Amino acid sequence: AQRVTQPEKLLSVFKGAPVELKCNYSYSGSPELFWYVQYSRQRLQLLLRHISRESIKGFTADLNKGETSFHLKKPFAQEEDSAMYYCALRGLAGGTSYGKLTFGQGTILTVHP
Amino acid sequence: GAGVSQSPSNKVTEKGKDVELRCDPISGHTALYWYRQSLGQGLEFLIYFQGNSAPDKSGLPSDRFSAERTGGSVSTLTIQRTQQEDSAVYLCASSFTSQGRDTIYFGEGSWLTVV
Repeated sequence: AQRVTQPEKLLSVFKGAPVELKCNYSYSGSPELFWYVQYSRQRLQLLLRHISRESIKGFTADLNKGETSFHLKKPFAQEEDSAMYYCALRGLAGGTSYGKLTFGQGTILTVHP
Repeated sequence: GAGVSQSPSNKVTEKGKDVELRCDPISGHTALYWYRQSLGQGLEFLIYFQGNSAPDKSGLPSDRFSAERTGGSVSTLTIQRTQQEDSAVYLCASSFTSQGRDTIYFGEGSWLTVV
């Protein structure tokens, strides 16, 4: 079974402060990990994926297979980062669970001025 | 269209009635997904269609829920004999493969309220 856990439902920080949104996963195999973001009144959209090893809007996330974690980090939070963030997992292409994207419960990030 | 289109955007129905939710994926996308977003429940996988393969229905919560995809394009999610706990936002998504990477795009959702 595949599972994604986001332990924090709410996270509040001040502008300019570092932020870390936690994500832990459970999967028997090599997963593909994602972070999705949903801004107010907008549709859910991909923020980043671990395979790309990229930084988007200042956010980065490193896959730690030993700790089965994929925490999202940003050194200096901005007010426009306020949104709902979802961590998601999928089996790699060719596997039986490819395609089924499993989401965590989400973390609402609020960045105060 | 420019993105995944869902209709209706809002639906209020009486308990016990059947509802149909429609999804128009992005043209050319071979995969289509349905998710349910409930307050405090996150995003719950319902069903996944990929090309001509048998759909993955493992997330459908009960036999009141069904979905079909006609002609490899438009999909309809049907909920029979709706219950109040079915109230949620139903999200559709579609994907294509670009350079070996599968990018998933979401619609704006259909907000269902069962009264």
